[in-house]
Amino acid sequence: EIVLTQSPATLSLSPGERATLSCRASQSVSSYLAWYQQKPGQAPRLLIYDASNRATGIPARFSGSGSGTDFTLTISSLEPEDFAVYYCQQRSNWPQYTFGQGTKLEIK
Amino acid sequence: EVQLLESGGGLVQPGGSLRLSCAASGFTFSSYAMSWVRQAPGKGLEWVSAISGSGGSTYYADSVKGRFTISRDNSKNTLYLQMNSLRAEDTAVYYCAREFRNGGYSYDAFDIWGQGTMVTVSS
Repeated sequence: EIVLTQSPATLSLSPGERATLSCRASQSVSSYLAWYQQKPGQAPRLLIYDASNRATGIPARFSGSGSGTDFTLTISSLEPEDFAVYYCQQRSNWPQYTFGQGTKLEIK
Repeated sequence: EVQLLESGGGLVQPGGSLRLSCAASGFTFSSYAMSWVRQAPGKGLEWVSAISGSGGSTYYADSVKGRFTISRDNSKNTLYLQMNSLRAEDTAVYYCAREFRNGGYSYDAFDIWGQGTMVTVSS
């Protein structure tokens, strides 16, 4: 089973700052990694697929990078609406999907 | 508008059963694989089960295998999750989610989610 480990668990930043979230896989997942944003009381929203491709309607300040075992979600300049929980997800051990435990991005 | 709407959640005793439904609209339902994903209170996301567009292939997380059954009725644009032998640890919000497709290619991600339905297993 492939395990996804996200870090940090909590990230405290101010609007306008740059956020860097990490997701590490226990073995290679190639580029088959997605990122989601979840706000309280809401369903997750797809941000990034295949490690670096923005989903439809996702602002350009969100970018993804990485391959193999190390991946990064970057938010270039935080907007107030970006404070939420972020999850990475993979399906390299098909057909099982696996999510990371999440990173909470909070306002400093 | 592309939409998924879950229903069927509620309070059930340990060992009991419940059937969740997910009504799809705004897209060609039969062309998409679908999944159920759950989230225990205050916890992260856990994939539960998936089904192919035709319904001919089904997949389960080890935690629910043998207890849950996923199915779909493409004539009714509806996805189901039959949950039997429920345990306290099955308590969660259950989301249905559509597998992301683009340009005729399926990606292993979920682009459309329902609002979720709460399942509470407690005596």
